[in-house]
Amino acid sequence: GQQVMQIPQYQHVQEGEDFTTYCNSSTTLSNIQWYKQRPGGHPVFLIQLVKSGEMKKQKRLTFQFGEAKKNSSLHITATQTTDVGTYFCAGSGSSNTGKLIFGQGTTLQVKP
Amino acid sequence: NAGVTQTPKFRVLKTGQSMTLLCAQDMNHEYMYWYRQDPGMGLRLIHYSVGEGTTAKGEVPDGYNVSRLKKQNFLLGLESAAPSQTSVYFCASSPLSSYNEQFFGPGTRLTVL
Repeated sequence: GQQVMQIPQYQHVQEGEDFTTYCNSSTTLSNIQWYKQRPGGHPVFLIQLVKSGEMKKQKRLTFQFGEAKKNSSLHITATQTTDVGTYFCAGSGSSNTGKLIFGQGTTLQVKP
Repeated sequence: NAGVTQTPKFRVLKTGQSMTLLCAQDMNHEYMYWYRQDPGMGLRLIHYSVGEGTTAKGEVPDGYNVSRLKKQNFLLGLESAAPSQTSVYFCASSPLSSYNEQFFGPGTRLTVL
């Protein structure tokens, strides 16, 4: 079945350093979504990418969708302690059920 | 609006006991989902529903049953709990649209002894 792999599993950075997490799907995706989960919290939607090669920015966060629509990345510039949490990518196939396949997540720790 | 709510927040069961987790949403969303989250495994879809009265299996449905008798509620049942079902369970809902953003509840932490 469809699989979504995410790397790295953990990342420790010094505050102010950049951070990137990568997501790869075994199949072509119709769209990809990114979620953030703070420690002890629930996943919260960040963004959705739909078009091949699409890039979107949210302040210090940059999201990219690959040309083949099988991979994606999230880059955070100049991390802050408020960025701490686990970032998940989630891919959707071509069905209309809204089903998402989540990656394993990347847990980001930021040292002040 | 309360969004997505889940009850209970915590529960401890003994092996073989049964229980039902309740998810409710007040956003009039068509789609609802049940996930389990285990360390290093991300979120895995258990069952989902695309509308009132309909349910379907996700990635890891064994040992669980669901019902969606009302549009706003999605129930997850464990008939005979096993230690392997110790996990954090999240419910989510999304509107009937191409955007498909999922809104998650606060989660239920279940321990099976």
